[in-house]
Amino acid sequence: EVQLVESGGGLVQPGRSLRLSCAASGFTFDDYVMHWVRQAPGKGLEWVSSISWASANIGHADSVKGRFTISRDNAKNSLFLQMDSLRGEDTALYYCGASRGYYYGPLHWGPGTLVTVSS
Amino acid sequence: QTVVTQEPSFSVSPGGTVTLTCGLSSGSVSTNYYPSWHQQTPGQAPRTLIYNTNTRSSGVPDRFSGSILGSKAALTITGAQAEDESDYYCALFMGSGTWVFGGGTKLTVL
Repeated sequence: EVQLVESGGGLVQPGRSLRLSCAASGFTFDDYVMHWVRQAPGKGLEWVSSISWASANIGHADSVKGRFTISRDNAKNSLFLQMDSLRGEDTALYYCGASRGYYYGPLHWGPGTLVTVSS
Repeated sequence: QTVVTQEPSFSVSPGGTVTLTCGLSSGSVSTNYYPSWHQQTPGQAPRTLIYNTNTRSSGVPDRFSGSILGSKAALTITGAQAEDESDYYCALFMGSGTWVFGGGTKLTVL
């Protein structure tokens, strides 16, 4: 059974950093493109970042470009999101997602981890 | 910046058929955008129903189907059930390893 479990969320002050992790199990991790998708309170889904199987292709939404960095460790079946210079508008539930094909959106989803940016 | 458009809300009677759409503020959606559809009920993580335009995810009932209708991607629910009352989001591949979600459609079954 595919499982994705996010961790690392919490309360952080504006301008500070936070690193999210996603632990994957139940599938061959390096066969999947991985994504981060977020959802602000009461709002819709927003794609944040994606990384291909061997990290050769990486994309970030304009709203986080230059502040967030996605990475993966295939040996540890783990996905990461380094979030720097956090702003109030980054407050959201952050989901980890996995897709089987390069062009496909997330097929499998984790339960999410909450990030709150506030002083 | 291209915006992905969805109907904010829709209503369907139990047993009825409804088609939700996913368009672009500029241009047409084609299979080259690899549209996917995701269902979300309050307090839950999203669940992927359809990917690559019309491929159903494992375990998804066949009353859900995806297609391209004219210039938009479409999700059709045939024989809607009460448990289908949810928010539905489409996502499009925009190239260069980037995706965009639509604003979502709140579907009411009554």
